[in-house]
Amino acid sequence: DIVMTQSPDSLAVPLGERATISCKSSQSLLYTSTNKNYLAWYQQKPGHPPKLLFYWASTRESGVPDRFSGSGSGTDFTLTISSLQAEDVAFYYCQQYYTSRALTFGGGTKVEIK
Amino acid sequence: QVQLVQSGAELKKPGASVKVSCKASGYTFTSHGISWVRQAPRQGLEWMGWISASNGYTIYAQRFQGRVTMTTDAPTSTAYMELRSLRSDDTAVYYCARDPGTTMILPEGLMDVWGKGTTVTVSS
Repeated sequence: DIVMTQSPDSLAVPLGERATISCKSSQSLLYTSTNKNYLAWYQQKPGHPPKLLFYWASTRESGVPDRFSGSGSGTDFTLTISSLQAEDVAFYYCQQYYTSRALTFGGGTKVEIK
Repeated sequence: QVQLVQSGAELKKPGASVKVSCKASGYTFTSHGISWVRQAPRQGLEWMGWISASNGYTIYAQRFQGRVTMTTDAPTSTAYMELRSLRSDDTAVYYCARDPGTTMILPEGLMDVWGKGTTVTVSS
């Protein structure tokens, strides 16, 4: 299975500052025939199910604020919150769907207010 | 609106089985597959498998092969996940999630709509 590694495990950022989460995969998620990266990001607030934020590494799901952005290609990906808001406190997970018969998630990153 | 409504919390003894339901509404049930994902207490997300709501074709994560069965009932737009031979480390919240893909034998792999989760506690 493809192993997804997120860092850091947690981070505390002042309100209005930038938060950056890294996600690395054990093999490339770039499918050359489509030129797409099969990487998604989810947000999970306490007591709630995950919510899809991004797919194809950087395509924002409808309704997701534009302070969130996804980037990267191949094996290295980043989720950035440009100006952290109180409602952004959550766990964030990356997930690969390159191997759709064996979907895997990263371990998660907890984002808090400093 | 599109939603998935899951069955209520379960308390099971080790060795027993549990069957969780997931009733879909707001979209054509047979047009999309359903993935099941679990989350142990204070842990991350673990994909268990996927079922096509069109033809019942299933793909299970290797670690659950032989212990899990996923089914659907099209007339009631309901998906089911049964896990057998329960152990204490199966204690988790179990989620169903819609896969937006439309193929019948392979998931797209995304999960765009989620149920609220079903807490399964395994304890003697």
